[in-house]
Amino acid sequence: EAGVVQSPRYKIIEKKQPVAFWCNPISGHNTLYWYLQNLGQGPELLIRYENEEAVDDSQLPKDRFSAERLKGVDSTLKIQPAELGDSAVYLCASSLTSGARVEQFFGPGTRLTVL
Amino acid sequence: DQQVKQNSPSLSVQEGRISILNCDYTNSMFDYFLWYKKYPAEGPTFLISISSIKDKNEDGRFTVFLNKSAKHLSLHIVPSQPGDSAVYFCAAKGGTSYGKLTFGQGTILTVHP
Repeated sequence: EAGVVQSPRYKIIEKKQPVAFWCNPISGHNTLYWYLQNLGQGPELLIRYENEEAVDDSQLPKDRFSAERLKGVDSTLKIQPAELGDSAVYLCASSLTSGARVEQFFGPGTRLTVL
Repeated sequence: DQQVKQNSPSLSVQEGRISILNCDYTNSMFDYFLWYKKYPAEGPTFLISISSIKDKNEDGRFTVFLNKSAKHLSLHIVPSQPGDSAVYFCAAKGGTSYGKLTFGQGTILTVHP
C-alpha cells in the first residue's frame, strides 16, 4: 500500500515569492492534516480536513497561508508571500477518520528554505 | 504554551542497554498518548500508544508507562539497538479535539554499537 506522498521534497525560494506544496493521502483516508515542523521542535497542526471540509484551521496564519482539498482527496498548501520565518518542514498526514484511537500516517515532508 | 514537553534534547545509550525517554504534559484533558519515531528526511512513524485508563503498554522491545497523577509518561526500549537511533516524539490527544495531535519537541536517541 502506498504511503502519503508529498511534493516537492525540497524547495528554495526568495522571500516574498509564492510557494505551494502538494499532498496525496493514503487511499481511502478521509482525514488529512497539514503540520508545520520548525527546527528542533515537534510538528504543529496547521489545518485538518474531514473529506473536503476544513474542520480545524485555527492555527493556520490566514493572512498568507491558504489550503484546499478539492474532491476530498489531494490537498495543496500555499504560502503567499513567503517570509524568512516560514523556513521549516511542512508535513502532510492522513488517517481513516479523526477518532481518538486512529493512527495518523505521515508523509516525508517538504523542506522549505526562504532566502 | 508547551502542553507536551520532552526536556531531554538528546540521549546516548550503549547497544544492549535500556533507553528511557521521558515526556511530561500539562493538559489534564489529554487521554491518549503516542510515541512516534522519526529518521532523517522521513516523516514520523507511529511506534506505540497508551490510553489513560492504563498505566503500561508493551509491544516487543518497547514499553510505555503512564503516570497520570504526575502527568508523566516514559518510553522504555530494551534492549537498545543501533537501528533505534532516531528522533522520538511524544504526542497527546484528547479534550475537545480528538483530531489534533500535540507533540513534544523530540529527543534524539543515539545507540552506540
